[in-house]
Amino acid sequence: DAGVTQSPTHLIKTRGQQVTLRCSPKSGHDTVSWYQQALGQGPQFIFQYYEEEERQRGNFPDRFSGHQFPNYSSELNVNALLLGDSALYLCASSLAGDYGYTFGSGTRLTVV
Amino acid sequence: AQSVTQLDSHVSVSEGTPVLLRCNYSSSYSPSLFWYVQHPNKGLQLLLKYTSAATLVKGINGFEAEFKKSETSFHLTKPSAHMSDAAEYFCVVSEGNQGGKLIFGQGTELSVKP
Repeated sequence: DAGVTQSPTHLIKTRGQQVTLRCSPKSGHDTVSWYQQALGQGPQFIFQYYEEEERQRGNFPDRFSGHQFPNYSSELNVNALLLGDSALYLCASSLAGDYGYTFGSGTRLTVV
Repeated sequence: AQSVTQLDSHVSVSEGTPVLLRCNYSSSYSPSLFWYVQHPNKGLQLLLKYTSAATLVKGINGFEAEFKKSETSFHLTKPSAHMSDAAEYFCVVSEGNQGGKLIFGQGTELSVKP
């Protein structure tokens, strides 16, 4: 049974560019959350998607947006990249109303 | 607002000795608390969770944690460290209802010496 799959694993972008990260949830899960983990820090909640809608959002600017598809997979989009956006981006899936979060291995984004 | 504070940024132990990673929480109501482990270049793995059942929670790989409301603590322990336990550990509180966002501590790096 596949866990959470994220792609790509690594990415290098230039300031001002846009990036799209992808996440396939664990089989049977319907909720996807995204976290940003800067070097040496704990992960910070970006937003959560359920039934193709953003259900909850953390303290991130509008440059960060997302989408959830009918098959529950999700994308994280970041526009106008800044150097400070360099981080590990983690996707977590769960079943609505449950504490069983499963995390992917993340996408390492470097902005130069 | 809910938060967690991990009291040590780095802990070093010798193989075979006990492990203690300290965490205090702040919550306006009965919290749900977790410990996650992150090995280098890996995702986060759930070690254990407390969701208002037994206050002593047993997790994977011999880890356990005790919820102490009077001390607002949720410390992680293991009787005997193994080299493979070397990793980053995060204490986490869940905001709101089940399935809500997770709030992470800053992390404790555990080193295990042979």
